[in-house]
Amino acid sequence: KAGVTQTPRYLIKTRGQQVTLSCSPISGHRSVSWYQQTPGQGLQFLFEYFSETQRNKGNFPGRFSGRQFSNSRSEMNVSTLELGDSALYLCASSLGRQGTDTQYFGPGTRLTVL
Amino acid sequence: AQKVTQAQTEISVVEKEDVTLDCVYETRDTTYYLFWYKQPPSGELVFLIRRNSFDEQNEISGRYSWNFQKSTSSFNFTITASQVVDSAVYFCALTLNAGKSTFGDGTTLTVKP
Repeated sequence: KAGVTQTPRYLIKTRGQQVTLSCSPISGHRSVSWYQQTPGQGLQFLFEYFSETQRNKGNFPGRFSGRQFSNSRSEMNVSTLELGDSALYLCASSLGRQGTDTQYFGPGTRLTVL
Repeated sequence: AQKVTQAQTEISVVEKEDVTLDCVYETRDTTYYLFWYKQPPSGELVFLIRRNSFDEQNEISGRYSWNFQKSTSSFNFTITASQVVDSAVYFCALTLNAGKSTFGDGTTLTVKP
């Protein structure tokens, strides 16, 4: 099976712009989670989507949003970018069964905000 | 709220040495899942092991072994006869709800030839 894919792999944006990141889960996986990884804050949970619905949400401002499509692919959007949004954004997919699943991660999108 | 602590920020060993990475977790829930992931320089988190709170059996997989002790809320990871390819950042994670994991800050392991 193909793994989790994320596009693009690298992005450079300027403050105030918005960005959309894409994640394609492993075939058959219905849950997609997003994480932000920075040197200072480590790995932090953003949100999780299951069957096109946001099921879990972390403590991030409303500038961070996401959605999931009927084929389980997910997109994450960050509006009005700030310098502190520079990070590695990781997407993970799983079957979505409560409590029993293993999340498999993609290679990440490295976002740099100038 | 749940928390995962990896007290060792960096560990450096010489090839063939054994090394143990510590993980201590906090949660009030009785049902939870613990994970270890490896993050090589490429950035992708690689799944290593999953353990649920009702299974305290230790596990061995090749050179890797895990020691889960609920009494001390620890889930430690040992690499036997380390190799240069083991150099990476290792993360311990706790999951209560599907799709939402709490990660430790990671331990950077450097194995020198």
